[in-house]
Amino acid sequence: DAGITQSPRHKVTETGTPVTLRCHQTENHRYMYWYRQDPGHGLRLIHYSYGVKDTDKGEVSDGYSVSRSKTEDFLLTLESATSSQTSVYFCAISAGGLDEQFFGPGTRLTVL
Amino acid sequence: QKEVEQDPGPLSVPEGAIVSLNCTYSNSAFQYFMWYRQYSRKGPELLMYTYSSGNKEDGRFTAQVDKSSKYISLFIRDSQPSDSATYLCAMSRPNYGGSQGNLIFGKGTKLSVKP
Repeated sequence: DAGITQSPRHKVTETGTPVTLRCHQTENHRYMYWYRQDPGHGLRLIHYSYGVKDTDKGEVSDGYSVSRSKTEDFLLTLESATSSQTSVYFCAISAGGLDEQFFGPGTRLTVL
Repeated sequence: QKEVEQDPGPLSVPEGAIVSLNCTYSNSAFQYFMWYRQYSRKGPELLMYTYSSGNKEDGRFTAQVDKSSKYISLFIRDSQPSDSATYLCAMSRPNYGGSQGNLIFGKGTKLSVKP
């Protein structure tokens, strides 16, 4: 998985609780992305980062925030989880904005 | 109309068959086209990355882009049971969403190759 780890790999939580997912890379790539994957919708971009402390919204950013204080780490936070955020979350990295994106193994999140 | 359309299948073929997977898109600004393979409960892995119209070959895989028809294809020759996976097309354009390179994915086609 191109030096990308995600933690936790599985999480079950309750509605209304905060959740933070972590993506860690060892490739020193500039760009990092968070996607969610749902049946019938495919992969959709939540947020992305184009450098330390530089982030922007993707297609489905409502209810999510991100932070990137170091090149290697990109955090995705659900401030107050809802059942609609039950999904598989993938982190991806790329060296440049138009370069290939490499994906992590995913985090399976269930919000009860 | 969705920006990227991909038939979800499932598609089942016998071992050794030629497989054709396709996506259509509506936005002529897309310039970069990718195919990813995703095994069950794994992250997508990049198979092919093309920029221009025409064909690109890599082993048993051939990616084809027809920008005039807004149509891309992935051909798999001599398909193997290990090719059983979901295949995702993806595309991007410069300055999409305020930054370069953000990908738009098709929903994926699930392929099963039977021994």
